[in-house]
Amino acid sequence: AQSVTQLDSHVSVSEGTPVLLRCNYSSSYSPSLFWYVQHPNKGLQLLLKYTSAATLVKGINGFEAEFKKSETSFHLTKPSAHMSDAAEYFCVVSLSGYSTLTFGKGTMLLVSP
Amino acid sequence: DTEVTQTPKHLVMGMTNKKSLKCEQHMGHRAMYWYKQKAKKPPELMFVYSYEKLSINESVPSRFSPECPNSSLLNLHLHALQPEDSALYLCASSQEPGQGRIYEQYFGPGTRLTVT
Repeated sequence: AQSVTQLDSHVSVSEGTPVLLRCNYSSSYSPSLFWYVQHPNKGLQLLLKYTSAATLVKGINGFEAEFKKSETSFHLTKPSAHMSDAAEYFCVVSLSGYSTLTFGKGTMLLVSP
Repeated sequence: DTEVTQTPKHLVMGMTNKKSLKCEQHMGHRAMYWYKQKAKKPPELMFVYSYEKLSINESVPSRFSPECPNSSLLNLHLHALQPEDSALYLCASSQEPGQGRIYEQYFGPGTRLTVT
């Protein structure tokens, strides 16, 4: 079985400050991990993915995430928040060879001027 | 081109109506998916098609009927829906997962469905 826990339902930051969105996973096997972003009334956009290559993964729009097997974590970071980053972020896990995704409950990122 | 398109963007239907949602991708993906997303919740998987054949049905009520006419198109036929079926319906596609391989899913913008 696999599961994903996003540790914060809401995160508030000021524009220009760092962003940290936390995600822990549980999986019996080596997982693949993704972060998706969803702006209001839009579909999901892939930010980045981890598939057992480099543990530090760089994504679009300045986001990156680090896979830490010992901590079963895959936290998403960005050095400097922009107003356009305000959205819902989903941490997602999938097992090798399977097509189904397991979503976390989501973290709403709020960015204030 | 990594685009998945969905039509219509918005749909309002009565409980006795029959309507269809459409999804299209031209990325050569052989796996396509339907998800349902309620407000402030993550998407929930409904159906998976692999090489135009239904491979996963997550115990979805029969009032939702999927169809995959070809490798680029995915439809969701709706009939006798209930108000609680109102949601954002998302389509996604990916390369076909296989042994030791995971491919990301690309999502469309969704159809906002309201059942009155």
